Amino acid sequence: NAGVTQTPKFQVLKTGQSMTLQCAQDMNHEYMSWYRQDPGMGLRLIHYSVGAGITDQGEVPNGYNVSRSTTEDFPLRLLSAAPSQTSVYFCASSPLGQSYEQYFGPGTRLTVT
Amino acid sequence: DAKTTQPTSMDCAEGRAANLPCNHSTISGNEYVYWYRQIHSQGPQYIIHGLKNNETNEMASLIITEDRKSSTLILPHATLRDTAVYYCIVRVNDYGQNFVFGPGTRLSVLP
Repeated sequence: NAGVTQTPKFQVLKTGQSMTLQCAQDMNHEYMSWYRQDPGMGLRLIHYSVGAGITDQGEVPNGYNVSRSTTEDFPLRLLSAAPSQTSVYFCASSPLGQSYEQYFGPGTRLTVT
Repeated sequence: DAKTTQPTSMDCAEGRAANLPCNHSTISGNEYVYWYRQIHSQGPQYIIHGLKNNETNEMASLIITEDRKSSTLILPHATLRDTAVYYCIVRVNDYGQNFVFGPGTRLSVLP
């Protein structure tokens, strides 16, 4: 198993540009989520999904959209990038019955200029 | 979810036990204590979790006080590879609940 994969690893955007961060998992996990981590800070939840077709907002959802058309994929879309969205983004997944153990991807480092 | 309080940083000598404390005085009866760690800028890694009994696995031990208002994560023989930020999280063990990661404790294992 590849586990949780994220692409790209690094990305630089200009203010106002849009892009999609990709997240995929091959463990057939129902639960997937997106977090952001700002320098020296803990993680904050952006959006999450408990299965295909079901998504919900986390702590900091503004400026981001998600969709879950398959169990494997959970892309995060930045609609109009802002410098405040400069951060490291982590995707995570877990089985619904074992939500205590989240499997995290390697992260995407995003810089918005 | 209940809030947690952890020291900002700690040092530990290589080969010694690392004891990382966490206060969660407002924990509810159905909330679990979870520990994760983050090495460098990698994604967080699950360590252990528990409700009220002490727990042990291949990575660590978790000691929860009888009143459940605090807990301690113990790494029995710390190595340099255990240098990381350790997060104590309290939440209900429900798929609908999410993890709230605070600033954590930065553990430095010294040679």
